[in-house]
Amino acid sequence: QSVLTQPPSVSGAPGQRVTISCTGSSSNIGAGYDVHWYQQLPGTAPKLLIYGNSNRPSGVPDRFSGSKSGTSASLAITGLQAEDEADYYCQSYDSSLRGVFGGGTKLTVL
Amino acid sequence: QVQLQESGPGLVKPSETLSLTCTVSGGSVSSGSYYWSWIRQPPGKGLEWIGYIYYSGSTNYNPSLKSRVTISVDTSKNQFSLKLSSVTAADTAVYYCARTLRFSYYYYYMDVWGKGTTVTVSS
Repeated sequence: QSVLTQPPSVSGAPGQRVTISCTGSSSNIGAGYDVHWYQQLPGTAPKLLIYGNSNRPSGVPDRFSGSKSGTSASLAITGLQAEDEADYYCQSYDSSLRGVFGGGTKLTVL
Repeated sequence: QVQLQESGPGLVKPSETLSLTCTVSGGSVSSGSYYWSWIRQPPGKGLEWIGYIYYSGSTNYNPSLKSRVTISVDTSKNQFSLKLSSVTAADTAVYYCARTLRFSYYYYYMDVWGKGTTVTVSS
């Protein structure tokens, strides 16, 4: 069981907006630790999507955005496209002295 | 453009030691700007951070694996390595190496990943 909780799956039609939540606790996100997001396309390695809660690396479309509040963080994807179909993971730090990932969310584009 | 490539045996027997190497090209493991991480992903499951190393040899490990993990760096070969001892079937996973941007002990993320290598633990 992951320290950070994500919904197993979300879905949306092309052009729609979807959000993926990442819920932690007072020992990780709630302690003020930042959240990063990764996209894993089928059969490939994860790719950095968002760092420091809301920052996009160069080359990541502005359709992807991140936010954090309290013990949770969210990834929003607007203008959903077929190529966005992937697994998404959040990552933060836990007071148990380790980096931690969420369990992952599978995004299906209908 | 920096690239990372994992290599090592795809099959390891239970109780033995898993050994993997990550070769860095297009960049240097001696760059003081980066740390170098190992992450794994069991079949059909999520990601697990294993640990990271700095070119100086300074390391940080996941406490749940710390007693079995050793990460080392070879700057002359531009490589870093993972050793995981006393493996069981639960260690079967895709193992990724990744370049890591670390700003503090609690603020770090992986910005470049290798393609991953599958390791199966079985007799």
